[in-house]
Amino acid sequence: KQEVTQIPAALSVPEGENLVLNCSFTDSAIYNLQWFRQDPGKGLTSLLLIQSSQREQTSGRLNASLDKSSGRSTLYIAASQPGDSATYLCAQEDSSYKLIFGSGTRLLVRP
Amino acid sequence: GAVVSQHPSWVICKSGTSVKIECRSLDFQATTMFWYRQFPKQSLMLMATSNEGSKATYEQGVEKDKFLINHASLTLSTLTVTSAHPEDSSFYICSARESTGAETQYFGPGTRLLVL
Repeated sequence: KQEVTQIPAALSVPEGENLVLNCSFTDSAIYNLQWFRQDPGKGLTSLLLIQSSQREQTSGRLNASLDKSSGRSTLYIAASQPGDSATYLCAQEDSSYKLIFGSGTRLLVRP
Repeated sequence: GAVVSQHPSWVICKSGTSVKIECRSLDFQATTMFWYRQFPKQSLMLMATSNEGSKATYEQGVEKDKFLINHASLTLSTLTVTSAHPEDSSFYICSARESTGAETQYFGPGTRLLVL
């Protein structure tokens, strides 16, 4: 059974800190790995998509890496801001485009 | 970027009634759409894959006769929760994948269902 695990479940940091969110997955035949942001009561916003042939992707202050051999992905957020407060979800995508989501990391960036 | 809408955004209904939720891709065609369910403080769980012009594919444990999916056009998929019960109360989110084969799935804003 495919499983995606995210650590930590919750994180509270002061504004300006650099932080790392972790995601591990069990399916070595991963097609893509995606990171999403979800604000309370809202849908999902796609942040970064890493194809299985890639090792990382960057967008602004966000950098996501993918290590298929160890079954891990990390999302690095530089110079965190209060507006970054949200739940961050990682999801592995298989060849049929199905997404298996982790349970998320709830991030709070304190002013 | 591409936009996916859902309607209604929230609905309250009595136990035993049926509720239809629409998922539309507004500026692109989507051969494949996905329906997810999210219970409070839990992650999204895939319910079914909706394919235009064919029957939906349901995940293990999801009752196809209770959650009816219709994908009649390249821009619209509907999920009908039949004979809803309080345990069906959840946040239902759809996603759509462009027919052109682009990698990204675009998610709708979600529909919150409360069954009394």
